[in-house]
Amino acid sequence: ETGVTQTPRHLVMGMTNKKSLKCEQHLGHNAMYWYKQSAKKPLELMFVYSLEERVENNSVPSRFSPECPNSSHLFLHLHTLQPEDSALYLCASSQDGATNYGYTFGSGTRLTVV
Amino acid sequence: GENVEQHPSTLSVQEGDSAVIKCTYSDSASNYFPWYKQELGKRPQLIIDIRSNVGEKKDQRIAVTLNKTAKHFSLHITETQPEDSAVYFCAASNSGNQFYFGTGTSLTVIP
Repeated sequence: ETGVTQTPRHLVMGMTNKKSLKCEQHLGHNAMYWYKQSAKKPLELMFVYSLEERVENNSVPSRFSPECPNSSHLFLHLHTLQPEDSALYLCASSQDGATNYGYTFGSGTRLTVV
Repeated sequence: GENVEQHPSTLSVQEGDSAVIKCTYSDSASNYFPWYKQELGKRPQLIIDIRSNVGEKKDQRIAVTLNKTAKHFSLHITETQPEDSAVYFCAASNSGNQFYFGTGTSLTVIP
């Protein structure tokens, strides 16, 4: 286990459902990230939290809502998603800015919107 | 913003041969270039990285080279083994929190 845990591993939800993805890191890092990974596309940064404050929000639709209650936990709240939102959602963490140490990724949540 | 391009998108090599994956970037301020390996169904893992003050870095069978003038960097894997089969992502960063990733290269090592 690398120290970044994501739950659930798989999620199937209808377009009218509300669900949440959870990420927890046990590495003492102070920055956490949500990425979306779709087939044949680069990893897309969604949100960055540094010291529990959101520092990046890359034009993500409002049907995705992040929450970072403390430096160890990160959530992604989902509501009224579209089928094109189906993807692998990866959480990552880093210490003192990613450029010093790189990311540690979680295993991801495979989301299917039906 | 930064734009990272990665080639090839797929690569097949015979076991024991070398594999080379190339990335280019657009922002001359980028100064940190990690490479990630993602095996099927698993998380991306950092395998090697290079900073802009270094031209080459090697770790056993893996090496990365950086040409700042041309704005490109490459991953070299020698003596490939079946367990090297995975998707490899390059990335670039300019000291911010954000990485800009390439589209990935699916490497298959044929036994």
